Amino acid sequence: SAVISQKPSRDICQRGTSLTIQCQVDSQVTMMFWYRQQPGQSLTLIATANQGSEATYESGFVIDKFPISRPNLTFSTLTVSNMSPEDSSIYLCSVQGAGGTEAFFGQGTRLTVV
Amino acid sequence: AQSVTQPDIHITVSEGASLELRCNYSYGATPYLFWYVQSPGQGLQLLLKYFSGDTLVQGIKGFEAEFKRSQSSFNLRKPSVHWSDAAEYFCAVVPGGYQKVTFGTGTKLQVIP
Repeated sequence: SAVISQKPSRDICQRGTSLTIQCQVDSQVTMMFWYRQQPGQSLTLIATANQGSEATYESGFVIDKFPISRPNLTFSTLTVSNMSPEDSSIYLCSVQGAGGTEAFFGQGTRLTVV
Repeated sequence: AQSVTQPDIHITVSEGASLELRCNYSYGATPYLFWYVQSPGQGLQLLLKYFSGDTLVQGIKGFEAEFKRSQSSFNLRKPSVHWSDAAEYFCAVVPGGYQKVTFGTGTKLQVIP
């Protein structure tokens, strides 16, 4: 299994500002994933981040709003840009285990936009 | 398109009672199947997984799940629920290695004394 550390664990931000969430994994992984969990909802995949290439975004998510960096095989960041109250969610970083099957998750970042 | 259905949004059980959470999937072949638990304010923790073989799989915290191919189901069970089991439970599917995980909508479990 992988140990994933996410920072910050929570934040309250003003609308119109941006927040960068960091994700650190204790081992090298090929793909890292960013999910959004809106209040009372399930997880929705935002994008897949591969080291050395641009992230692949799911339908409904765009790079201008959610820029992602993946500078090496153990680290990634997700920025939530120009935030509005609708961006209030839990954002989770995830990696897949050996064989690319089960997913492991960080503790999440609980974002509130006021 | 593959999908995962958890028909029960919210379930309430008494402490010590048995529990079954339902999960149905829609996919051409048998995918990899998982159950995760999310306690309030926490990330997701893997409870158990099914890849192949024995259709009854054991997980952590006394949970088990049974895969039934004929019903496209992977229901989660626990014989005796503890108050600490109150959480949200997500069923998830991966069609194959290094492919996208699809989550069900989740079932919120409340445990009453």
